[in-house]
Amino acid sequence: SYDLTQPPSVSVSPGQTATITCSGDELGTRYASWYQQRPGQSPVLVIYQDMKRPSGIPERFSGSNSGNTATLTISGTQATDEADYYCQAWDSSYVFGTGTKVSVL
Amino acid sequence: EVQLVESGGGLVQPGGSLRLSCAASGSTFSYDWMSWVRQAPGKGLEWVANIKPDGTEKFYVDFVKGRFTIFRDNAKHALYLQMNSLRAEDTAVYYCATSYSSSSQFEHWGQGTLVTVSS
Repeated sequence: SYDLTQPPSVSVSPGQTATITCSGDELGTRYASWYQQRPGQSPVLVIYQDMKRPSGIPERFSGSNSGNTATLTISGTQATDEADYYCQAWDSSYVFGTGTKVSVL
Repeated sequence: EVQLVESGGGLVQPGGSLRLSCAASGSTFSYDWMSWVRQAPGKGLEWVANIKPDGTEKFYVDFVKGRFTIFRDNAKHALYLQMNSLRAEDTAVYYCATSYSSSSQFEHWGQGTLVTVSS
């Protein structure tokens, strides 16, 4: 089976940059998507096709994907960005990453 | 704007059955691939099944094959998940979600419905 590995947690100060990685075998040859899930809420798509932002997602969210690692970057992190983040790719079926809890301290 | 509302969750005994529903509003339902994605308490996201816009193709994750059936009624803008032979490990919040193809990102999500399998 195909696995996507994320760091369990990332801490960031308000206004700073948060970087979340997602590692998988030759992930760069597939599209990566990212979802934000605030506590008690449903997931929300924040990045798709490696670096595209859906309508309504702030410009401070950006993505990249190369080699074995996809990266979600949150620039100028705000308190409202505190959430769990999941990467996702497709390999014969949908695969989600292990999830990263972003704490804004 | 697409809105998805799940229902049908609840407490069921091991070995029992449950049918989940997802009511969709918005004009694109008949053109969207629809999926069920679940999340066990305190755990991550896990894709369960999806279905082609016309209902002719269905795909499942291995551990639900033969137990769960996904189907849809485009006239009613509704998606369903029939779950049989339920196990404790099926306990989760079940979300319905849309995608424009069988392997593309999940663009819209419902609020989820909780299924608890316990005696």
